[in-house]
Amino acid sequence: QKEVEQDPGPLSVPEGAIVSLNCTYSNSAFQYFMWYRQYSRKGPELLMYTYSSGNKEDGRFTAQVDKSSKYISLFIRDSQPSDSATYLCAMRGIQGAQKLVFGQGTRLTINP
Amino acid sequence: ETGVTQTPRHLVMGMTNKKSLKCEQHLGHNAMYWYKQSAKKPLELMFVYNFKEQTENNSVPSRFSPECPNSSHLFLHLHTLQPEDSALYLCASSQDPGQGGTDTQYFGPGTRLTVL
Repeated sequence: QKEVEQDPGPLSVPEGAIVSLNCTYSNSAFQYFMWYRQYSRKGPELLMYTYSSGNKEDGRFTAQVDKSSKYISLFIRDSQPSDSATYLCAMRGIQGAQKLVFGQGTRLTINP
Repeated sequence: ETGVTQTPRHLVMGMTNKKSLKCEQHLGHNAMYWYKQSAKKPLELMFVYNFKEQTENNSVPSRFSPECPNSSHLFLHLHTLQPEDSALYLCASSQDPGQGGTDTQYFGPGTRLTVL
C-alpha cells in the first residue's frame, strides 16, 4: 500500500465550477500537509501549507485536513482556465522535516 | 536569474555516456535536494544536502552521483544509466529546518532526461 494515495485523473471541469481534489494517507505520524501546483514544463510550486487538522483558506483555495480519516482536500472555487495544472499533495511528520512524501498528482483541466 | 535554475532543460543520452545535471539556487538557502519524477509515479526524493553535507541518500543506485560544492550549487553526475532512468529530475532548495527556518521547498523547472 502506498503511503499517500491520489487519483491521477485526468479531471476536466467547466470554468467557474468548484473543484475538489483529494488525498488519503496511511501514516498517522504525518502532521504537516501541503498542496503543490505544477504547470506543464515547470517545477512544482507551493500552494497551501497546513498543520494538523482543520481548514485554511487563501483566496479561491481552501485546504482541509481530517486526520481522523487520514484524508486531505483542496477546494478551488470559481475555477479559471489558468488553474489547469497538475496538483500534488505532500505531507510529512514532525521529524524528518525535509522528507516529504508526495501523492502521484491529479491532472486538472478547466475548460473555458 | 531568480529562484532555482536547472540546466540543461532536456538531455538525451546513451547508456554508456557520462553527463551531469546542474542546479543553482538564488534564494540564499542552505539545503538542496534532488528528486525524480516519473510518469504515473509520485515524486521520489533522491538526495538531500544541508550546508554542503549529504544528509540523505534514499537508496539511490550508484550510477547517480551527487555533488554539492557550495550551498548554492548542486550537481547530479550520471553514468551508465538505464532506459528506466528516463524521467524529469527536479532540484529544490529550502532553509535548513534544523536551523529554525521554514521548510518550504522551492523547485526548479527540471531536466527532462531520456536514456536510449
